[in-house]
Amino acid sequence: KAGVTQTPRYLIKTRGQQVTLSCSPISGHRSVSWYQQTPGQGLQFLFEYFSETQRNKGNFPGRFSGRQFSNSRSEMNVSTLELGDSALYLCASSFGGENTEAFFGQGTRLTVV
Amino acid sequence: QKEVEQNSGPLSVPEGAIASLNCTYSDRVSQSFFWYRQYSGKSPELIMSIYSNGDKEDGRFTAQLNKASQYVSLLIRDSQPSDSATYLCAVNTGGFKTIFGAGTRLFVKA
Repeated sequence: KAGVTQTPRYLIKTRGQQVTLSCSPISGHRSVSWYQQTPGQGLQFLFEYFSETQRNKGNFPGRFSGRQFSNSRSEMNVSTLELGDSALYLCASSFGGENTEAFFGQGTRLTVV
Repeated sequence: QKEVEQNSGPLSVPEGAIASLNCTYSDRVSQSFFWYRQYSGKSPELIMSIYSNGDKEDGRFTAQLNKASQYVSLLIRDSQPSDSATYLCAVNTGGFKTIFGAGTRLFVKA
C-alpha cells in the first residue's frame, strides 16, 4: 500500500516568489492536513481539507493557501515568499471520519533565499 | 498556555530501562490522542493512538490517558538505542484539527 507522497522533496526559492507543493494521500483517505515544521516553532497546523472543502485553518497569513481535488490530492501555495517561510512542510492524510489517525509524507524542504 | 505541552528534554535513559514521556493538553473536549516518533531528518511516524481513559499496550509501547487530569503519557519498555528520537504528542480537538506538542527528545544510552 503506497504511503503519502509529497513533491517536490526539496525547493529553493527567492524572496517574493511563490511556490506550490503537492500531496497525494494514501488511497482511500479523504482528509489531508498541512503542517509547517521549524526548529523554533515545532509542528504548526496550516489547514485541513476533506472532500475538497477546507474544514479548519491555522493561524497563518493569507499568503498560505491550499486546495483539494476530487481525487483527494492536495496542493498548498505560498505567495510572496519570505525568509521566515523556510521550513519543512508536511502533509498528513487520514480517513477523516471518526478515525483521525494521520500518516505523514516525507515532507518538502523549502529554503527561501 | 500552549494547547499541548511536553517537556523538551533531552530525556536520557540507559538501554533496557523504561522511558516515560508525558504530555498535557488544555482542551477538555479533546477526544483522540496520538504519539508520533520522529527521527532526525525524517517525518513523524505514528506509533500509538488512544481514545479512552486507561492504558493501551502495543509491544514495548504503552499509552496512558487520563482525561480528568488532561494528561497522556507514553511508556517505552526495554528501551533500545534505536528508540532515540523525538516523540511528539498530538491531540485531535474534534474541530478537524490535530495539534502537536513541541516534542520530547529521548536518548537511549547503550
